[in-house]
Amino acid sequence: AQKVTQAQTEISVVEKEDVTLDCVYETRDTTYYLFWYKQPPSGELVFLIRRNSFDEQNEISGRYSWNFQKSTSSFNFTITASQVVDSAVYFCALSAYYNQGGKLIFGQGTELSVKP
Amino acid sequence: ETGVTQTPRHLVMGMTNKKSLKCEQHLGHNAMYWYKQSAKKPLELMFVYNFKEQTENNSVPSRFSPECPNSSHLFLHLHTLQPEDSALYLCASSQERTGYYGYTFGSGTRLTVV
Repeated sequence: AQKVTQAQTEISVVEKEDVTLDCVYETRDTTYYLFWYKQPPSGELVFLIRRNSFDEQNEISGRYSWNFQKSTSSFNFTITASQVVDSAVYFCALSAYYNQGGKLIFGQGTELSVKP
Repeated sequence: ETGVTQTPRHLVMGMTNKKSLKCEQHLGHNAMYWYKQSAKKPLELMFVYNFKEQTENNSVPSRFSPECPNSSHLFLHLHTLQPEDSALYLCASSQERTGYYGYTFGSGTRLTVV
């Protein structure tokens, strides 16, 4: 079965702190895709990153960075020097063909609260 | 317009009312989805449409009735809802039924059933 686990339900940090959101996935496929989405209070899920299973290079985009480790089936997301505008619910997601026809499977989400 | 547009943004309805949620995408995508997101709960996939045909119904009560007249439009018809149906309803679309390229989401409709 395919599954995405975000063990952290809620995280609260003070502005300028670094914070890491954990994501662990399960799949039997060798080809799959991983995603992170941000859901601000307005409601819309905003795409942040897509990574395929053959590319284990970490990625950095401004204050955001992602650490993909196939050995531990993890795709963690770090925000450096967090800001109040980073407050949102963050979802990790997986797409793999086996058993789910490639449908996007979401984790339960991590609610990040950044306080001034 | 680009992206996925949902209307209305907010809706309050009584349990005996009939209303419809609308979703429109101008991305040329072929698959569309309805999700329900209750407070403090994960996303729940309700329906999947691929090339206008329904391919998935996740045991959704019949008081929710989807309609997909073409690949660009998706509706969710609501009737005799219950207070526990109050939630954020999100529409999404994707190039194809697989999620390999991710989904594009609308801003959602916040529904309150009184």
